[in-house]
Amino acid sequence: EAQVTQNPRYLITVTGKKLTVTCSQNMNHEYMSWYRQDPGLGLRQIYYSMNVEVTDKGDVPEGYKVSRKEKRNFPLILESPSPNQTSLYFCASSIRRGGYGYTFGSGTRLTVV
Amino acid sequence: QQPVQSPQAVILREGEDAVINCSSSKALYSVHWYRQKHGEAPVFLMILLKGGEQKGHEKISASFNEKKQQSSLYLTASQLSYSGTYFCGTEAPGDDKIIFGKGTRLHILP
Repeated sequence: EAQVTQNPRYLITVTGKKLTVTCSQNMNHEYMSWYRQDPGLGLRQIYYSMNVEVTDKGDVPEGYKVSRKEKRNFPLILESPSPNQTSLYFCASSIRRGGYGYTFGSGTRLTVV
Repeated sequence: QQPVQSPQAVILREGEDAVINCSSSKALYSVHWYRQKHGEAPVFLMILLKGGEQKGHEKISASFNEKKQQSSLYLTASQLSYSGTYFCGTEAPGDDKIIFGKGTRLHILP
């Protein structure tokens, strides 16, 4: 089944403890992206990648890192999480940039206390 | 730069029609539409590319007026399963991303 797989689905952590949210797609998509979703704000892009080893900042990149060493994987790293990073996170992928729909992962609900 | 969606929320009875609008201040290359049910991921409905085409998906269709930088999503004879939040996402020429609107909450009553 073609899908984007995110893990974990739920995560509660403490301020400052480094964490990684994994994202993997099995559709050979070139484009991958991370979004955070907060009430009343919609989906805001954190980082995106147009292909392997190519990443760039989205609209809200502060406090996040990403890497794209393989085409299928695009992990989101929070080096020192803070409470304002409590949010619902989605990974998405697309065949390539421009003109193609996105497939979203199931989401990761992160709480930082 | 975030597209503006209207209305913010709408309540319908099953069988009624709805229109959701998406407006951008930038020239657009494409407009995407997604539906998200509570607690789930957004699901891609359709994409409209520059050219003013109208597309359909079952009883859900959309139009794209590139001159006005607007798109509308039409839901006819709504079903209970149509409930959820609808997001438009816009792509500008040369951009590497789509920007999503804040969403329109649609609630269908039996």
